[in-house]
Amino acid sequence: DPKIIQKPKYLVAVTGSEKILICEQYLGHNAMYWYRQSAKKPLEFMFSYSYQKLMDNQTASSRFQPQSSKKNHLDLQITALKPDDSATYFCASSQDPPYEQYFGPGTRLTVL
Amino acid sequence: AQSVTQPDARVTVSEGASLQLRCKYSYSGTPYLFWYVQYPRQGLQLLLKYYSGDPVVQGVNGFEAEFIKSNSSFHLRKASVHWSDSAVYFCAVNPDSNYQLIWGSGTKLIIKP
Repeated sequence: DPKIIQKPKYLVAVTGSEKILICEQYLGHNAMYWYRQSAKKPLEFMFSYSYQKLMDNQTASSRFQPQSSKKNHLDLQITALKPDDSATYFCASSQDPPYEQYFGPGTRLTVL
Repeated sequence: AQSVTQPDARVTVSEGASLQLRCKYSYSGTPYLFWYVQYPRQGLQLLLKYYSGDPVVQGVNGFEAEFIKSNSSFHLRKASVHWSDSAVYFCAVNPDSNYQLIWGSGTKLIIKP
């Protein structure tokens, strides 16, 4: 059974629209993360959360907003989408304090 | 600033040959060290980790890595590669038990038949 679920697997959006990427983990971890991967940057850290609190934010744009409704959920809301936002977005989780991180399968976002 | 360097963007190795993928980091202490593998169109999978103790750590699928503090390195090795090892390999470092890992740029491993 998959331990980290990301939905949807593929997502196509139009410029200017808003999307929510879903992440749920069933590893019992307290820390969760979002990363972005594109041809321009191999792996880019975005956010980290611990016990549903924001710990690190390396995303310059406020268009990216993580949302944690439960300890094992960390969704990513992206507003005013741009073609440059096209990438694969990975969710990850770890024990707290942070040790090794485990990754989900990713959501591939294409913005037209 | 702390950083991780993987100097080889691509490495080509013949099947059955040995492999070393290089990783160096900049940090004065002893960080937590990781190697991850990413197969095409998949997420990252943890290969191995080093926290303390024996500087040679074993991972999955015959991979191992050696932590050399004097050289600030954590190179990945495998004695005999298989075609299924074709993937991108990332080295990562956690210097201060932070929530943000410092990542290398990745090395794409290509296996020649």
